[in-house]
Amino acid sequence: DGGITQSPKYLFRKEGQNVTLSCEQNLNHDAMYWYRQDPGQGLRLIYYSQIVNDFQKGDIAEGYSVSREKKESFPLTVTSAQKNPTAFYLCASSNLGQAHTGELFFGEGSRLTVL
Amino acid sequence: ILNVEQSPQSLHVQEGDSTNFTCSFPSSNFYALHWYRWETAKSPEALFVMTLNGDEKKKGRISATLNTKEGYSYLYIKGSQPEDSATYLCALHAGGTSYGKLTFGQGTILTVHP
Repeated sequence: DGGITQSPKYLFRKEGQNVTLSCEQNLNHDAMYWYRQDPGQGLRLIYYSQIVNDFQKGDIAEGYSVSREKKESFPLTVTSAQKNPTAFYLCASSNLGQAHTGELFFGEGSRLTVL
Repeated sequence: ILNVEQSPQSLHVQEGDSTNFTCSFPSSNFYALHWYRWETAKSPEALFVMTLNGDEKKKGRISATLNTKEGYSYLYIKGSQPEDSATYLCALHAGGTSYGKLTFGQGTILTVHP
């Protein structure tokens, strides 16, 4: 089935460690996104990528890094520089351009807890 | 940072009631306005993508309108059912140099009581 796969679903990390969240899509979408959700807040954009080997910072990029070496994959690394990394992370993809609606398709999310 | 505001933050209604919520966004640099429904333990799913001023879209009992000149969109649910209970999110897809960037509001949590 076509869709977006995020892994792991749950992740525990010690302070000072980097951790990478995986996001893979087989929808042949050009654009991919990472969002973060905290209790009582909406989805906040971390990074987005419209094409392979290119990505842009969202509103809360500090302490995070991404890569887009393949169209299907957009991993997010939460570095030790991220001051408050405990959150729920959602990956999404879409097709942009006039021929498409641009609607986002989401993965099931990854919950990161820093101990 | 683009400011997308949703109101109310939460809403409790009885089964059969009709309800509506608001999404406000900056009217400059507009490309599209999205509505999503996010049910507990599931992924958000798109309801509507709206691009033209005056757009009205409908899916079953749910409909939405768009006013890009004044920067707001309304989502209406007619005859709410318990299965409509979810968080409803709107997102602004900006244009210009921010094309491709989707900024979400905080969401409206709807609870429909049987």
